[in-house]
Amino acid sequence: QKEVEQNSGPLSVPEGAIASLNCTYSDRGSQSFFWYRQYSGKSPELIMFIYSNGDKEDGRFTAQLNKASQYVSLLIRDSQPSDSATYLCAGDGSSNTGKLIFGQGTTLQVKP
Amino acid sequence: DARVTQTPRHKVTEMGQEVTMRCQPILGHNTVFWYRQTMMQGLELLAYFRNRAPLDDSGMPKDRFSAEMPDATLATLKIQPSEPRDSAVYFCASGSVRAGEQYFGPGTRLTVT
Repeated sequence: QKEVEQNSGPLSVPEGAIASLNCTYSDRGSQSFFWYRQYSGKSPELIMFIYSNGDKEDGRFTAQLNKASQYVSLLIRDSQPSDSATYLCAGDGSSNTGKLIFGQGTTLQVKP
Repeated sequence: DARVTQTPRHKVTEMGQEVTMRCQPILGHNTVFWYRQTMMQGLELLAYFRNRAPLDDSGMPKDRFSAEMPDATLATLKIQPSEPRDSAVYFCASGSVRAGEQYFGPGTRLTVT
């Protein structure tokens, strides 16, 4: 069973701090990973993707991938209350179909 | 501004009635996915299509659910008969096999009483 695991949280951080969201996966063949943000009552929105080992930065967001440890993370610098949402990690599970395997999501609360 | 559209946005129906949800994927995308989201189960994949052909529908109850893609601009998900346990938010997403990412529609919030 291919799985993507996330701590459901909630993860609470003060405004301005770095929020660190983590995800592990079981399928070593997975190549691509995606982070989605979902506000309450809204649909998931793609915010980052990463294919290669290492870090990928986009504004305040940094995605990190370590294939040897089967570990993916999302760092949010200078967290804002508007970052409060559920963050879903997804991997392609080594398929070539476009299908993604989603984790259960981590709820982030940024307190002013 | 390309986006996935879904109709209806909200649907309240009585148990036993047929429900049809529609999705228009982003033009040029060749994969379409149907998901169901509940607080208890999270995001569950029901079915998906590539180039309009169904690839996998193992996630949905076959006796009551059906998914089709009559043309490249329309995907449908039908529930007949509906049951209270089908109450959930149903998302459609589209993407491309090459890129891998998926873009979600706004969802249909279904309530079956």
